[in-house]
Amino acid sequence: GENVEQHPSTLSVQEGDSAVIKCTYSDSASNYFPWYKQELGKRPQLIIDIRSNVGEKKDQRIAVTLNKTAKHFSLHITETQPEDSAVYFCAASRDDKIIFGKGTRLHILP
Amino acid sequence: GAGVSQTPSNKVTEKGKYVELRCDPISGHTALYWYRQSLGQGPEFLIYFQGTGAADDSGLPNDRFFAVRPEGSVSTLKIQRTERGDSAVYLCASSLKGGQYAFFGQGTRLTVV
Repeated sequence: GENVEQHPSTLSVQEGDSAVIKCTYSDSASNYFPWYKQELGKRPQLIIDIRSNVGEKKDQRIAVTLNKTAKHFSLHITETQPEDSAVYFCAASRDDKIIFGKGTRLHILP
Repeated sequence: GAGVSQTPSNKVTEKGKYVELRCDPISGHTALYWYRQSLGQGPEFLIYFQGTGAADDSGLPNDRFFAVRPEGSVSTLKIQRTERGDSAVYLCASSLKGGQYAFFGQGTRLTVV
């Protein structure tokens, strides 16, 4: 079955700098890659997603890139702000169950 | 309702007891997922429903765990003979169909004492 690896587990960046979180997946048939943000005590919420027929997608300060050959995908957050502090999860799916990575705790330092 | 609703929000039960956790998905969503999340971990896949049928139950840890979705809407996760290791937040999510934008419920925090 699908296995999603995510790193780093913890990431600290200065406010205004960029943050990058990387994931790999094992099932080459996976075709949908969402990213979720979870604040303390709250439910995960989708922030951006990408399908395998697209290499990159951008939404304001957030972008996701996908390398199907290497089975890698990454989340890029630019101009980080205090409200970006949270746990971020990547996930992969092939039109069925959605498998999540273990998460990255992002700290934005003042 | 407008979102995915889970009840109860919190459940404390004694070791060995039986519990049921309910998920009410977004209307019209055919796909429904159950996950278990322990502190500091990612959502761990338990089971995925497409309509009324369990399309993939490979994540259920053992035969004490069972889930149903008899009418293709509300789902119930059932745990028999609860153990302290079952303590976690149980999350439900739904999407229009499998492998699409999934919305999560607020979760049920289960504590087994």
